[in-house]
Amino acid sequence: DTGVSQNPRHKITKRGQNVTFRCDPISEHNRLYWYRQTLGQGPEFLTYFQNEAQLEKSRLLSDRFSAERPKGSFSTLEIQRTEQGDSAMYLCASSKGGSALSYEQYFGPGTRLTVT
Amino acid sequence: AQTVTQSQPEMSVQEAETVTLSCTYDTSESDYYLFWYKQPPSRQMILVIRQEAYKQQNATENRFSVNFQKAAKSFSLKISDSQLGDAAMYFCALRGGSEKLVFGKGTKLTVNP
Repeated sequence: DTGVSQNPRHKITKRGQNVTFRCDPISEHNRLYWYRQTLGQGPEFLTYFQNEAQLEKSRLLSDRFSAERPKGSFSTLEIQRTEQGDSAMYLCASSKGGSALSYEQYFGPGTRLTVT
Repeated sequence: AQTVTQSQPEMSVQEAETVTLSCTYDTSESDYYLFWYKQPPSRQMILVIRQEAYKQQNATENRFSVNFQKAAKSFSLKISDSQLGDAAMYFCALRGGSEKLVFGKGTKLTVNP
């Protein structure tokens, strides 16, 4: 069990550019979550997948945001036409569905995005 | 809508002493779960303790325990025998009705030697 990994750990981009982040969940976990955390705030839910199906999306996930989990393993989060307000830490978490332990979400280290 | 409120932006405690972090929440769900997560500086968030709302008994995990007051919608975390490694941001979180976690704004805990 190597834990949830996220790449890159840091990303600096210019306003208007597109960025893509990757999350690799714990191998046997079928549920994957994306959260956004701004400075001084708790994480806010963005979206969640069960296997390859995207089952819930927050209203925070504007049209410029898209997330995929094509084979039910890793996931990508893309932000198009980045804005300065997108600067935040993007956290990925995973859990094993179908058991009591599914209630625990294991978090990755996050990708810190800075939009200049 | 579900909300979680942590009214203490910062707390401090002396090493080996006990500290209590406060959390109140609101939900219309009858079945829900409450969590305390710890986020050390520049490190990933880890689960400290979990409480199922249907359980009357307060959860405990070694030096960490909760005081769950369902009627008051209160869920505080008590850390006993505080250690330097307990210094971190602590987030209270709620899960009910869906898979998403709803977090509070966090409490920064400083442990003084």
